[in-house]
Amino acid sequence: GQNIDQPTEMTATEGAIVQINCTYQTSGFNGLFWYQQHAGEAPTFLSYNVLDGLEEKGRFSSFLSRSKGYSYLLLKELQMKDSASYLCAVRYPSGGYNKLIFGAGTRLAVHP
Amino acid sequence: ETGVTQTPRHLVMGMTNKKSLKCEQHLGHNAMYWYKQSAKKPLELMFVYSLEERVENNSVPSRFSPECPNSSHLFLHLHTLQPEDSALYLCASSQDSSGRIDNEQFFGPGTRLTVL
Repeated sequence: GQNIDQPTEMTATEGAIVQINCTYQTSGFNGLFWYQQHAGEAPTFLSYNVLDGLEEKGRFSSFLSRSKGYSYLLLKELQMKDSASYLCAVRYPSGGYNKLIFGAGTRLAVHP
Repeated sequence: ETGVTQTPRHLVMGMTNKKSLKCEQHLGHNAMYWYKQSAKKPLELMFVYSLEERVENNSVPSRFSPECPNSSHLFLHLHTLQPEDSALYLCASSQDSSGRIDNEQFFGPGTRLTVL
């Protein structure tokens, strides 16, 4: 079966750095996505990894190790507006097209 | 309007009602998706349409009936729902259903459904 695990909740302080981990087991792999979702809003795309290594995008970076089935999202210089749920999702081929399976999300609370 | 829009944003219905959720994308995409998001559970894929053809029905009960009249519009028709169907229903679209690098999914704001 397909499975994605990530911590349920995390807390951090404004200005600090936080790392959100994600592990996955899927029957195939065609990329890993991170989405941000504020309460009551749509998930918005943050980053994408398909090769091993680190992808940096401003204050956000995402790392992937395909051999370990592992990724993390690194958020630097945390701001209050970064309080949200962060969803890890893996795309894999299935039945002639590509499916996206999501983790349950990590709810991050940023405190002053 | 731009992006992916959904109406209504909130819906309360009884178990015997029939209602429809609407999704519209203004991105020129060819693939559209319905997801269900229940509290503290992962997003669950329900249906996938590629070029207006349903390519995935993820073991969804028949009380949920999708319709894709064209590549810009997607509906989810609801009838005789159960209280456990109460959730946030999200629509998404992508360029297509391939594994291309730039083929991320764009989500609408969702419809918060409550079944009494």
